[in-house]
Amino acid sequence: NAGVTQTPKFRVLKTGQSMTLLCAQDMNHEYMYWYRQDPGMGLRLIHYSVGEGTTAKGEVPDGYNVSRLKKQNFLLGLESAAPSQTSVYFCASSFLAASTRTDTQYFGPGTRLTVL
Amino acid sequence: GIQVEQSPPDLILQEGANSTLRCNFSDSVNNLQWFHQNPWGQLINLFYIPSGTKQNGRLSATTVATERYSLLYISSSQTTDSGVYFCAVGETSYDKVIFGPGTSLSVIP
Repeated sequence: NAGVTQTPKFRVLKTGQSMTLLCAQDMNHEYMYWYRQDPGMGLRLIHYSVGEGTTAKGEVPDGYNVSRLKKQNFLLGLESAAPSQTSVYFCASSFLAASTRTDTQYFGPGTRLTVL
Repeated sequence: GIQVEQSPPDLILQEGANSTLRCNFSDSVNNLQWFHQNPWGQLINLFYIPSGTKQNGRLSATTVATERYSLLYISSSQTTDSGVYFCAVGETSYDKVIFGPGTSLSVIP
């Protein structure tokens, strides 16, 4: 099993450009999450999904959109990138709800995004 | 929303020393996890521990849910223990997990 994979690993954008980050998991997990990590602030939840075709907002959803068309994939989109979106983005998945059931989150390796 | 605090923010240890990391949270939680982020950025789950005590080798964790804190113990520290340790809690009413700011640990030989 590959676990949780993220594409791309690195990306540099100019302000106003758009891009999509792909997260894929092969563990048949229902729940998937997108976080951003900034220095000194830990991880903050952007959006999450409790199953195929569903999405919900996290702590910092503004400027991002997501889609979960297939159970194994969770896409994070930036329509018009801003320098404030420079960060490391992590995807995670869990079989059951990480907040209510006895299961843990598995993280991808991260995507380092720089917006100039 | 729920607030998560971790202490200390930074810690430097001599190899072989023991340490205790603390996580405080402001409300009832259904889930508490400890993660280690290594110097290369990889996040690894250490414990799922909403209550009670667990041990895994040199690491152990205790959560006292009624008093809203959790402790992570590292014994006989090694240089490979370096990195950032995060506590993450799940809110009772939502399918969300909130991370603390982390404790940055450096173990020197």
